Amino acid sequence: KAGVTQTPRYLIKTRGQQVTLSCSPISGHRSVSWYQQTPGQGLQFLFEYFSETQRNKGNFPGRFSGRQFSNSRSEMNVSTLELGDSALYLCASSLLTATDTQYFGPGTRLTVL
Amino acid sequence: GQSLEQPSEVTAVEGAIVQINCTYQTSGFYGLSWYQQHDGGAPTFLSYNALDGLEETGRFSSFLSRSDSYGYLLLQELQMKDSASYFCAVSNQAGTALIFGKGTTLSVSS
Repeated sequence: KAGVTQTPRYLIKTRGQQVTLSCSPISGHRSVSWYQQTPGQGLQFLFEYFSETQRNKGNFPGRFSGRQFSNSRSEMNVSTLELGDSALYLCASSLLTATDTQYFGPGTRLTVL
Repeated sequence: GQSLEQPSEVTAVEGAIVQINCTYQTSGFYGLSWYQQHDGGAPTFLSYNALDGLEETGRFSSFLSRSDSYGYLLLQELQMKDSASYFCAVSNQAGTALIFGKGTTLSVSS
């Protein structure tokens, strides 16, 4: 079975721009979660999607949004980028819920200049 | 609030045993998970404890004490390839998101 894939792997943007990241879960997995990873803060939960609906949400500003398509693929969007948004963005898929074992993708490394 | 505490760094030599502790404070508790992440890689699942006691998977074991809000990951017969970051994560109820600790960097030397 193919693993979780994320595109692009690397991105460089400037402050004020917006960015869209994509995640394709493992076939058959219906829950997709997004995390932000920074050196000092570890993995911080952004949101979780299931059946095209946001089911759980972390403590991030409204500039961070996401969606899920009928094939379970998911995208996250960050608008009005700030320097502090520079991070590794990880997507994880699981069978049904965010409590199930999470299978992580390789991440998208976002650098905001 | 909800928080998890784990040591930031641990060092050990090949062949040794190391224990990485995790204490948590959450509004509820459903289970404790451990993930491993090599530099530049994706986190990968290691183990899960929902009930008190020890779970063993090869060289790795994980322990949970719900009354103490405490768990640990035990790595035996350490190898150089075990050098990585280790994260504990809790879920406070079924179906909710995992809350991750900030990770413990394990360095194994020869």
